[in-house]
Amino acid sequence: QKEVEQDPGPLSVPEGAIVSLNCTYSNSAFQYFMWYRQYSRKGPELLMYTYSSGNKEDGRFTAQVDKSSKYISLFIRDSQPSDSATYLCAMNKAGGAGNKLTFGGGTRVLVKP
Amino acid sequence: ETGVTQSPTHLIKTRGQQVTLRCSSQSGHNTVSWYQQALGQGPQFIFQYYREEENGRGNFPPRFSGLQFPNYSSELNVNALELDDSALYLCASSPRGTSGSGEQYFGPGTRLTVT
Repeated sequence: QKEVEQDPGPLSVPEGAIVSLNCTYSNSAFQYFMWYRQYSRKGPELLMYTYSSGNKEDGRFTAQVDKSSKYISLFIRDSQPSDSATYLCAMNKAGGAGNKLTFGGGTRVLVKP
Repeated sequence: ETGVTQSPTHLIKTRGQQVTLRCSSQSGHNTVSWYQQALGQGPQFIFQYYREEENGRGNFPPRFSGLQFPNYSSELNVNALELDDSALYLCASSPRGTSGSGEQYFGPGTRLTVT
């Protein structure tokens, strides 16, 4: 079983709809949670970064973390065709060597005009 | 502010050859991490460099090695290339060293094809 699970999609929504993405994880040591957007054949772009449980909002994006359920979510409001991309969740343990990010496999999102 | 840059953009190598990939970190960032991303998968951590020393390594064999230079730029070297090494290689920089904060900023990647 992978440490971080993410539905690969594709998730297809009409323009203007809310996109709902989520990841589950198994390691309770994860403390930092990130969402990245990756366009085809490009590097991941950091969208949201949260520490521990709670919500964080930035423009059209809202990230939620529920550590008790080991579940994180990303919501995209008023979705646009330009939001069509693969969305990766990533997590990091507090302290320790390496600060490696552990990624989910990514969810492909298609926003149709 | 200059972001993370990587070179080359893509290259093709033959099995058994060696390759060197290069990365310049974002201005003010002293930590560089390397990831391998196979097609359709999430990135996998290879190793991280902080203050010119390896600071953590993922599940990759010793033929994957790296360097960090005083200006915080970095190289990834892969010896004895195998077909399974074909992937997008991503470099990420972050502003902190061994603290737990996690945000890392990625470059555009180098696409390596091994034939």
